[in-house]
Amino acid sequence: QQPVQSPQAVILREGEDAVINCSSSKALYSVHWYRQKHGEAPVFLMILLKGGEQKGHEKISASFNEKKQQSSLYLTASQLSYSGTYFCGTAGGGTYKYIFGTGTRLKVLA
Amino acid sequence: NAGVTQTPKFRILKIGQSMTLQCTQDMNHNYMYWYRQDPGMGLKLIYYSVGAGITDKGEVPNGYNVSRSTTEDFPLRLELAAPSQTSVYFCASRARQGNTGELFFGEGSRLTVL
Repeated sequence: QQPVQSPQAVILREGEDAVINCSSSKALYSVHWYRQKHGEAPVFLMILLKGGEQKGHEKISASFNEKKQQSSLYLTASQLSYSGTYFCGTAGGGTYKYIFGTGTRLKVLA
Repeated sequence: NAGVTQTPKFRILKIGQSMTLQCTQDMNHNYMYWYRQDPGMGLKLIYYSVGAGITDKGEVPNGYNVSRSTTEDFPLRLELAAPSQTSVYFCASRARQGNTGELFFGEGSRLTVL
């Protein structure tokens, strides 16, 4: 079943912070976050592994709550370049079937 | 190192026609995937493969077929095209890193069925 992201959409001013959540009904072993610009393919941002390890950007961080089956992406001091649609992705439940969350549209205004 | 290459980038089909979307990766990745993305929507998994000769259905497989004869290639076949198959199709691959590797995407194939 597809992970559910919240909020569906968010509008920010430059310099503001945002949190995007990804919730799954199945156990999560690892979660990836991607950003997709209009007309382009998704681009990998970071990975969250079971046990809390994360790899990613400077001003973009994430957390992974295995018990709640949820991951959150934190964008601090947002820039215009952060605009796009964010997706969480996972091969949940120990399978190779890799699926994406419902997506969150983020727009940063000057 | 080209990564994931998809062809064609754009295609217009008439209802009932068939076509194959090509996907090739040169990263020696075991896992390959096909997704479709309708306008303003998310990514839906059509088919995936964990290695040559092994394929399995995703969330929306109806109207499509795949094959995986080599590690590099994973073509997607559309039979009897319908307007509902108008979409952007993305091919992606990932390494076998304990099932935690991220996806690498092709640029996408934009298909319109009229």
